[in-house]
Amino acid sequence: QKEVEQDPGPLSVPEGAIVSLNCTYSNSAFQYFMWYRQYSRKGPELLMYTYSSGNKEDGRFTAQVDKSSKYISLFIRDSQPSDSATYLCARDTGGFKTIFGAGTRLFVKA
Amino acid sequence: DTGVSQNPRHKITKRGQNVTFRCDPISEHNRLYWYRQTLGQGPEFLTYFQNEAQLEKSRLLSDRFSAERPKGSFSTLEIQRTEQGDSAMYLCASSLGGAGINEQFFGPGTRLTVL
Repeated sequence: QKEVEQDPGPLSVPEGAIVSLNCTYSNSAFQYFMWYRQYSRKGPELLMYTYSSGNKEDGRFTAQVDKSSKYISLFIRDSQPSDSATYLCARDTGGFKTIFGAGTRLFVKA
Repeated sequence: DTGVSQNPRHKITKRGQNVTFRCDPISEHNRLYWYRQTLGQGPEFLTYFQNEAQLEKSRLLSDRFSAERPKGSFSTLEIQRTEQGDSAMYLCASSLGGAGINEQFFGPGTRLTVL
């Protein structure tokens, strides 16, 4: 079992839709959970992170961690065509190493 | 541009040849990472440097792979006797280190195609 599991999609939604992206993790020792966004032919960039559990909101984006079910979610409100990218969930134990999920490809249609 | 840079952006080589990639991290970052990413997968950790010291190597990094970071500045990743299975995007990232979240800043990657 991979440490971070993620549905690769692709996920296609109309502009303005609410998008829900999800991951599951297996190691309860995780400290930070992160979402990276990767545009085509670019390196990933950090979008949001949460510590251990709870919610964090930043504009149209909300990151959520449910420790009881080992579930990580990213919600995008009022999705835009510019949100079309691959979204990678990741875990960081507070050390140097980051483990990434496979990524979910999102297409937002205008 | 003060971000992470990687050269070359693309490399096509024949099986059995050696290739070398370069990464220039953000100047004040003391941590440097190499990842490999194949189509439909997330980045897979290869190796990590703290300044000039290589502190961790993944089991993915066979003895044909070697990485260096002389003087704790730029880094090179060399693949000897390339195989078709080495075809992938090679990503470099750097971070400041310290307490808290280890935000890594990625370069644009070097896409390797082994024929």
